[in-house]
Amino acid sequence: GENVEQHPSTLSVQEGDSAVIKCTYSDSASNYFPWYKQELGKRPQLIIDIRSNVGEKKDQRIAVTLNKTAKHFSLHITETQPEDSAVYFCAASIGSNYQLIWGAGTKLIIKP
Amino acid sequence: EAGVVQSPRYKIIEKKQPVAFWCNPISGHNTLYWYLQNLGQGPELLIRYENEEAVDDSQLPKDRFSAERLKGVDSTLKIQPAELGDSAVYLCASSSGLAGAEDTQYFGPGTRLTVL
Repeated sequence: GENVEQHPSTLSVQEGDSAVIKCTYSDSASNYFPWYKQELGKRPQLIIDIRSNVGEKKDQRIAVTLNKTAKHFSLHITETQPEDSAVYFCAASIGSNYQLIWGAGTKLIIKP
Repeated sequence: EAGVVQSPRYKIIEKKQPVAFWCNPISGHNTLYWYLQNLGQGPELLIRYENEEAVDDSQLPKDRFSAERLKGVDSTLKIQPAELGDSAVYLCASSSGLAGAEDTQYFGPGTRLTVL
């Protein structure tokens, strides 16, 4: 079946440095790729998304890039801050169905 | 505007007992999702509703799980009987239903189920 692989599972970066999380997907018909942030004990919340007709999207310190040929997309967080510590999930839409397939998550740790 | 509401937030039961979770989606949202989230993993879709119709329940273990959304608003997810492996967080989400898979999904706080 369709799947989304997410790497790394844990990422530890120094405060102020950049963090990059990568995902690959299997369904070539996928055209929507959201990223969710989940703080400990809280609900997942959408932080940014990208559609297949766009290669890059930026929102302040957060950016997402998409390479449809290689079927991978990445989340970039610059100037990381303590409040960026959370688990980040990528997801990809399934071409034949109105649902998302989720990655396993990346635990981002910002070291002071 | 209120977000997605779920209750209870926590539930501890013994195996073989029944349990039910309730979800109230964002007002006006036609699509409702139930997800299961195990520790350290991403959400796994159990069932998706468009209004009152279950349009995707392929991942719902129908021998013990059931769900309903009778009036196309609130929804209930039931497990009977619960097994030890059902311990997880059960998340409800809703979306407007206007853009299919591209809808932003808004999640509730989840119900953490512990089966002893």
